[in-house]
Amino acid sequence: DAGVTQSPTHLIKTRGQQVTLRCSPKSGHDTVSWYQQALGQGPQFIFQYYEEEERQRGNFPDRFSGHQFPNYSSELNVNALLLGDSALYLCASSLGQLNTEAFFGQGTRLTVV
Amino acid sequence: GDSVTQMEGPVTLSEEAFLTINCTYTATGYPSLFWYVQYPGEGLQLLLKATKADDKGSNKGFEATYRKETTSFHLEKGSVQVSDSAVYFCALSNNAGNMLTFGGGTRLMVKP
Repeated sequence: DAGVTQSPTHLIKTRGQQVTLRCSPKSGHDTVSWYQQALGQGPQFIFQYYEEEERQRGNFPDRFSGHQFPNYSSELNVNALLLGDSALYLCASSLGQLNTEAFFGQGTRLTVV
Repeated sequence: GDSVTQMEGPVTLSEEAFLTINCTYTATGYPSLFWYVQYPGEGLQLLLKATKADDKGSNKGFEATYRKETTSFHLEKGSVQVSDSAVYFCALSNNAGNMLTFGGGTRLMVKP
């Protein structure tokens, strides 16, 4: 049973560019959440998708947007990249919006130069 | 808003020593509480959880008790191993959904 898979594993972008990160949830899961983990810090919640709609959002600017597809996979898009966007981006999946058992992927390491 | 505070690391112990990592929280309602572990180069793995006051979560020799009166969820292990070296995160989830609020993490280093 495949767990949560994220791609790519590493990415280097230039300030001002746009980036798309991808996540496939654990088999059977329908809810995807995205987190940003800066170096040496705990993950910060970006947003959550359920039934192809954004259901909750953390304190992140509109430059951060997402999408969920009918097969429950998800994308995180970041526009106008800043140096401060450099971080590990984690995807977590769960079954249902209120299920507290979240499974995390290994993350995408984004470096903005 | 909700928040989680953990003791700062790194925590350095010898093998077979007793481990305590303190965690306190601030939240509205009755959150669920979690400990996640992150090994080098990997994502987060759920270590244990507790969903109501006085519940004890346990896994792989680790345990933590949900203390509502002190708003705490301290992680303990009686005898640590070198393989326990990792970063440990305390987190909470409120009843409005499964959004997780994390503490800053505590790095544990166990020496042989």
